[in-house]
Amino acid sequence: SVLLYQKPNRDICQSGTSLKIQCVADSQVVSMFWYQQFQEQSLMLMATANEGSEATYESGFTKDKFPISRPNLTFSTLTVNNARPGDSSIYFCSSRTGLYAEQFFGPGTRLTVL
Amino acid sequence: GDQVEQSPSALSLHEGTDSALRCNFTTTMRSVQWFRQNSRGSLISLFYLASGTKENGRLKSAFDSKERRYSTLHIRDAQLEDSGTYFCADMANYGNEKITFGAGTKLTIKP
Repeated sequence: SVLLYQKPNRDICQSGTSLKIQCVADSQVVSMFWYQQFQEQSLMLMATANEGSEATYESGFTKDKFPISRPNLTFSTLTVNNARPGDSSIYFCSSRTGLYAEQFFGPGTRLTVL
Repeated sequence: GDQVEQSPSALSLHEGTDSALRCNFTTTMRSVQWFRQNSRGSLISLFYLASGTKENGRLKSAFDSKERRYSTLHIRDAQLEDSGTYFCADMANYGNEKITFGAGTKLTIKP
């Protein structure tokens, strides 16, 4: 299995500001992902974080709004730019050790934008 | 795209009863994973199945190996700590490594 740590656990920020969320895995992982979950809803895949290259974004998510970095096989950051109240949600990082292996999730970062 | 249908959407049970949650897929799946999310938002992986069944204590999950379009999660002798939202997530069988989550089943266990 893989243990994922996220920082911060939660944050409250003002509209128009930017917030960075960090994710660290306890071992090198092949794939890393970022998910968004609004209250009482399911998880939505935002992007796949690719080591040493640009992230691959899903429909509805852009690199300008949600830039993602992945400098190595254990670390990734998600930034929320120009935060709006509609961005208030839980953000999860996730990873798996193999292409079709079990997937694990970090504890989530609960973001509230005022 | 993939469709993952979970049923029921919500379920309320008394302690000690048994229940079955279901997950249907509109296309064949490579694997299925079941999660429980607690009230604090933490997502815990319960089972990962590429075929057959797995059991862990009072929980048991099955993935239809033939059609690969159906999975169940059985909870036996429900306890208060089983309350939460249960999600199934599947990985499609056609080379796409992304998993798709169902809408979830909100389970409430009452004393």
